[in-house]
Amino acid sequence: DAGITQSPRHKVTETGTPVTLRCHQTENHRYMYWYRQDPGHGLRLIHYSYGVKDTDKGEVSDGYSVSRSKTEDFLLTLESATSSQTSVYFCAISEKGQGATEAFFGQGTRLTVV
Amino acid sequence: GQQVMQIPQYQHVQEGEDFTTYCNSSTTLSNIQWYKQRPGGHPVFLIQLVKSGEVKKQKRLTFQFGEAKKNSSLHITATQTTDVGTYFCAGPLYNFNKFYFGSGTKLNVKP
Repeated sequence: DAGITQSPRHKVTETGTPVTLRCHQTENHRYMYWYRQDPGHGLRLIHYSYGVKDTDKGEVSDGYSVSRSKTEDFLLTLESATSSQTSVYFCAISEKGQGATEAFFGQGTRLTVV
Repeated sequence: GQQVMQIPQYQHVQEGEDFTTYCNSSTTLSNIQWYKQRPGGHPVFLIQLVKSGEVKKQKRLTFQFGEAKKNSSLHITATQTTDVGTYFCAGPLYNFNKFYFGSGTKLNVKP
């Protein structure tokens, strides 16, 4: 498996609180992605990064922000968690854009907002 | 909304039967990727198809990319219990860096 670590692996938080999920890679890949996975929806892209401090929105970016201050770390922040953000979150990395090369996924973070 | 559609959503087969999942896009794709996710696991890359009409094989798995590059299929011959999982197609839409996944086909194989 590629060197991708997501933390925490599980989290329960209360509605209205901010939450930050971390993705750490040791592969020195340029591209990093955050997806959420919900039953019946597959994987939906939240945000992605194409370099340090370079990020762009995906298809479900509302309520989420990201930051990438170092190549190896990509942070996803839920500014004020809502129950609709209960989901499994996956980080992925790719050497080139995902349109050019395969993506490697982390183990996932199960987030429950109560 | 999601523009990479995948059918069927679920498929239950007896071990030894064949299985096919189909992926359709509303727009032409420059390429398409397939991933497998075991229950409780994370998606794992299987293959990428780039050329119109391309066919690739991996042992019992056959992947096809349509002539118009708007559809793709994954066919598994003689399923085994190790094939259990959810199979996703994914393609870049509008932006080469943005990959959109189909909703997946969940395969269950009865021994």
